[in-house]
Amino acid sequence: LAKTTQPISMDSYEGQEVNITCSHNNIATNDYITWYQQFPSQGPRFIIQGYKTKVTNEVASLFIPADRKSSTLSLPRVSLSDTAVYYCLVGANYWAGSYQLTFGKGTKLSVIP
Amino acid sequence: DSGVTQTPKHLITATGQRVTLRCSPRSGDLSVYWYQQSLDQGLQFLIQYYNGEERAKGNILERFSAQQFPDLHSELNLSSLELGDSALYFCASSYQGQGSGNEQFFGPGTRLTVL
Repeated sequence: LAKTTQPISMDSYEGQEVNITCSHNNIATNDYITWYQQFPSQGPRFIIQGYKTKVTNEVASLFIPADRKSSTLSLPRVSLSDTAVYYCLVGANYWAGSYQLTFGKGTKLSVIP
Repeated sequence: DSGVTQTPKHLITATGQRVTLRCSPRSGDLSVYWYQQSLDQGLQFLIQYYNGEERAKGNILERFSAQQFPDLHSELNLSSLELGDSALYFCASSYQGQGSGNEQFFGPGTRLTVL
C-alpha cells in the first residue's frame, strides 16, 4: 500500500512559481500519480496526472523522477485564487486489479498578496 | 460543476441512528468512490464500485456499507452512528476505461452531523 508524504503547509507570494513535493516510496509498478486541489467545503478537483517523466497541462506541470518515489507539482505564477489544499494521490488503474487509493494528508498552500 | 450529484447536502441525526447517502455519477462513468473527510483524518478512501461490483475497499467500518445499482447510482449506508462519524462524505466517479489512470470527479459532498 503506497503511503504518501507531503509538507503540511506552504506560503507563497502572488506571481511566484510554487513546487509541492510528494514522497511515495512504496509506489507500485501500476500506480499512477494524481494531484487534486480542494477549496474549503468543496470536493477535490483534478489538476494533473502522470506515470513517469514530465506532464504539463494548462494549469500545472508534474515532474516524476525515474525511480518514481516522489513527484513534484509545479504551479506557475500563482494567484490568490490558488490558495487551497493540494493532495497527492497514488493508485493503480483499472487493469491492475484490486488496489487501494491513498491520499496524502494534503498541503495547504497560502498565497500572499 | 463536476457532474456528480450527492444528496442530501446536509444531514443531522442522533447517535445510534442509520442514514443513507446517495450519489449519482457523471453520465458515462462506471466507477463510484466514497470518501470520508474529517478534520483530524484528512481524506479517507472508503470503497469503490465499478459497474455494480465492489472493486476496492479502504478504511470502511463494518457499520458502513455501500452498493451500486444497475443505473450506476450508489448509496452509502451508515448505521449505529457515533459522534466520530460526523464528517463530510464525498462521492467521486470516473470512467475507468482501458489504459486510463484514476482521474476522479468529485461531488459537492454530504455533511453529516451526529449529535
